[in-house]
Amino acid sequence: AQSVTQLDSHVSVSEGTPVLLRCNYSSSYSPSLFWYVQHPNKGLQLLLKYTSAATLVKGINGFEAEFKKSETSFHLTKPSAHMSDAAEYFCVVRIYGQNFVFGPGTRLSVLP
Amino acid sequence: EAGVAQSPRYKIIEKRQSVAFWCNPISGHATLYWYQQILGQGPKLLIQFQNNGVVDDSQLPKDRFSAERLKGVDSTLKIQPAKLEDSAVYLCASSLDETGYQGYTFGSGTRLTVV
Repeated sequence: AQSVTQLDSHVSVSEGTPVLLRCNYSSSYSPSLFWYVQHPNKGLQLLLKYTSAATLVKGINGFEAEFKKSETSFHLTKPSAHMSDAAEYFCVVRIYGQNFVFGPGTRLSVLP
Repeated sequence: EAGVAQSPRYKIIEKRQSVAFWCNPISGHATLYWYQQILGQGPKLLIQFQNNGVVDDSQLPKDRFSAERLKGVDSTLKIQPAKLEDSAVYLCASSLDETGYQGYTFGSGTRLTVV
């Protein structure tokens, strides 16, 4: 069975500093991996996806993530946080033929 | 392109009442999903449709939840009777095909409060 662990339920950074949101997955097969962002009272928006091409994936709004098979990780990073990045972030894993499995989410706070 | 439309945005009902949610996916998207997101948790799949057929409803509490997608386009999710633990955001999503290879597009959700 596949599963997703997001190691931090809440991350707080200052505006202009780097962001790191951690995600580890468990899957018996090669997965597809996604990061979604959810702003308050808004729907989930796809940030980026890994689907067995380049291991370093660039997404929208300056976010990127690196797939590391040896570490079963897919951490999300951004060089410089902006106030508008404050939201809930979900790591999602999917293997072929099965549905998305969402992690529990990490709430990102950005301090002025 | 227009996104996934859901209505209503908010609903408050008393326990044991019934409620229905509506979803209109992106035009041309064959696959439609209903997710339940309880506060503080990630979304959990309730049911997946491929056109008007059910692909996966293994996590749908069938004694009280039902869903249909009669014409393979829009869909309704119903709860009857509602319980307090059904309080959650109900998210509809769609994808071009059942692989979801490119990811899903989500609607803004319906926030249900059962009192």
